[in-house]
Amino acid sequence: QSVLTQPPSASGTPGQRVTISCSGSSSNIGSNTVNWYQQLPGTAPKLLIYSNNQRPSGVPDRFSGSKSGTSASLAISGLQSEDEADYYCAAWDDSLNGRVFGTGTKVTVL
Amino acid sequence: EVQLVESGGGLVKPGGSLRLSCAASGFTFSSYSMNWVRQAPGKGLEWVSSISSSSSYIYYADSVKGRFTISRDNAKNSLYLQMNSLRAEDTAVYYCARDNDIVVVVAAFDYWGQGTLVTVSS
Repeated sequence: QSVLTQPPSASGTPGQRVTISCSGSSSNIGSNTVNWYQQLPGTAPKLLIYSNNQRPSGVPDRFSGSKSGTSASLAISGLQSEDEADYYCAAWDDSLNGRVFGTGTKVTVL
Repeated sequence: EVQLVESGGGLVKPGGSLRLSCAASGFTFSSYSMNWVRQAPGKGLEWVSSISSSSSYIYYADSVKGRFTISRDNAKNSLYLQMNSLRAEDTAVYYCARDNDIVVVVAAFDYWGQGTLVTVSS
């Protein structure tokens, strides 16, 4: 029942820039902040970006987030092999009165 | 070091019950809101429930409302999820996660446990 839509996949060669979109509505992204999570294969998710564009300590500055209206984006610049993972956006939804996740995007490093 | 360790998962028949626990350490548990998030095999993340630091505010996803109950014991640094009337579609890895802000609408899950697998099958 994901209400945030992401492309199923994205890819790039090492060193390239990859962007992942997250489309929502006025009740979630349009009125609340967006967070991004990275899930490496077989591991628990990890917080990558919070409050639209803030990086927790230890997250490389190759990762950046932005938000405009009812959409958000995650950009990975200087793509590295270790960035191969699933990425999820998330936000609070005022209508559902709860958190919602995006559908997830699998990033492949070619 | 912040640690969240889930336990209590296992195989249960449809209609059955299970109680998950999450043991927290390395931070002042009573100061943080906590959450349960699940992931069905091969699927994406789904938020399940949240509870504020003093249990004053509790939220549930529509998919579990009326069947699951979140609770916490701050004296024991523990978070719980009581799951009743389990269905096959509840099969998933269940993660506990900590909020990084007291304001729920802006909070992110900054620490996650390793997860515990719940399988609902006859």
